Amino acid sequence: DAMVIQNPRYQVTQFGKPVTLSCSQTLNHNVMYWYQQKSSQAPKLLFHYYDKDFNNEADTPDNFQSRRPNTSFCFLDIRSPGLGDAAMYLCATSRVGITEAFFGQGTRLTVV
Amino acid sequence: AQKITQTQPGMFVQEKEAVTLDCTYDTSDPSYGLFWYKQPSSGEMIFLIYQGSYDQQNATEGRYSLNFQKARKSANLVISASQLGDSAMYFCAMRLYSSASKIIFGSGTRLSIRP
Repeated sequence: DAMVIQNPRYQVTQFGKPVTLSCSQTLNHNVMYWYQQKSSQAPKLLFHYYDKDFNNEADTPDNFQSRRPNTSFCFLDIRSPGLGDAAMYLCATSRVGITEAFFGQGTRLTVV
Repeated sequence: AQKITQTQPGMFVQEKEAVTLDCTYDTSDPSYGLFWYKQPSSGEMIFLIYQGSYDQQNATEGRYSLNFQKARKSANLVISASQLGDSAMYFCAMRLYSSASKIIFGSGTRLSIRP
């Protein structure tokens, strides 16, 4: 069974229309990450939560926001998607004491 | 600065040969971990191997081993006896424990195995 679940797998949104991507986990991990991955590029860390503490990357645009209402769920909000935001968005979880970060299957976002 | 560098954008290897994928890193954090992930064309991220900064022995997992040279800040992945199914993108990543367990990735190496 999938342990990190991202919904939806594919999302088409209109230019400028807010969109929310979701991630849930059954592992009870305290750290959750959001990455943006464009074609043939490395995953780029947008932000991550350590418990309830939000850690933003300095170069993450303000257009990207996140919420973590509880341990199991994390959301990525894109307030006004532009064409350049089309990408695969990956969610990952981990916790101190384990040596692996577990990834979801990703959400592929298309902006039209 | 915290950075992961992979200098090989692409590699071609004959099936059954061993292959080394290079990774160097830069951090001033004393406590960190180094990962390798495989990403096939399907897009999933598959964990391969992990090395902690305080680990004395090089990590091994089946056909995968991590050649960790701390003084040189390198963490190369060695795949022995390569298989056609090893064709994929390979990412080196670093976890920074003093930065709330932040994980950053290198630019990746696309490995292609020739039959």
